[in-house]
Amino acid sequence: EAQVTQNPRYLITVTGKKLTVTCSQNMNHEYMSWYRQDPGLGLRQIYYSMNVEVTDKGDVPEGYKVSRKEKRNFPLILESPSPNQTSLYFCASSSPSGSRGYTFGSGTRLTVV
Amino acid sequence: KNEVEQSPQNLTAQEGEFITINCSYSVGISALHWLQQHPGGGIVSLFMLSSGKKKHGRLIATINIQEKHSSLHITASHPRDSAVYICAALYSGGGADGLTFGKGTHLIIQP
Repeated sequence: EAQVTQNPRYLITVTGKKLTVTCSQNMNHEYMSWYRQDPGLGLRQIYYSMNVEVTDKGDVPEGYKVSRKEKRNFPLILESPSPNQTSLYFCASSSPSGSRGYTFGSGTRLTVV
Repeated sequence: KNEVEQSPQNLTAQEGEFITINCSYSVGISALHWLQQHPGGGIVSLFMLSSGKKKHGRLIATINIQEKHSSLHITASHPRDSAVYICAALYSGGGADGLTFGKGTHLIIQP
């Protein structure tokens, strides 16, 4: 089954404790991206990757890092999480032009206390 | 940054009603997506449009390129259609910047 797998689904952590949210896709998609969703603000792009070893900032990259060492994986790293990073996070993948649509992961609900 | 405007923000209707959700975008796009997000949080892609009209079951999506406007219609609405519907534009220039999202329409269908 074609899918984007995110883990974990839920995470509660403390301020400053490094964490990684994993994202993996099995569709051989070149393009992958991370979004956060906040009430009243909708979905906003954090980082995206056009292909292996190619990443770039989205609209709200501060406080986040990503890597793309393999085509299928695109982890989101929070080196020193803060409470304002409490949010619902989504990973998505698509073909390069997006012309075949996007597939989203199930989401990760992160709470930073 | 290019914007996407959705209306209404919230919509409550009775089962069986015809539902319309509207989406406007600011400049030329290469594709327009309609997404559905259920209370559990997961996002599902419903349609991707670059012109004309698409239909899947009771869902119909249309786009008018000249007017920079798209609509999502639900015929014979049912309580299971209750969800947040999100319009997202892929702006010309390819996937480099990804999708620009509307803030969503929270739809509740009452039995």
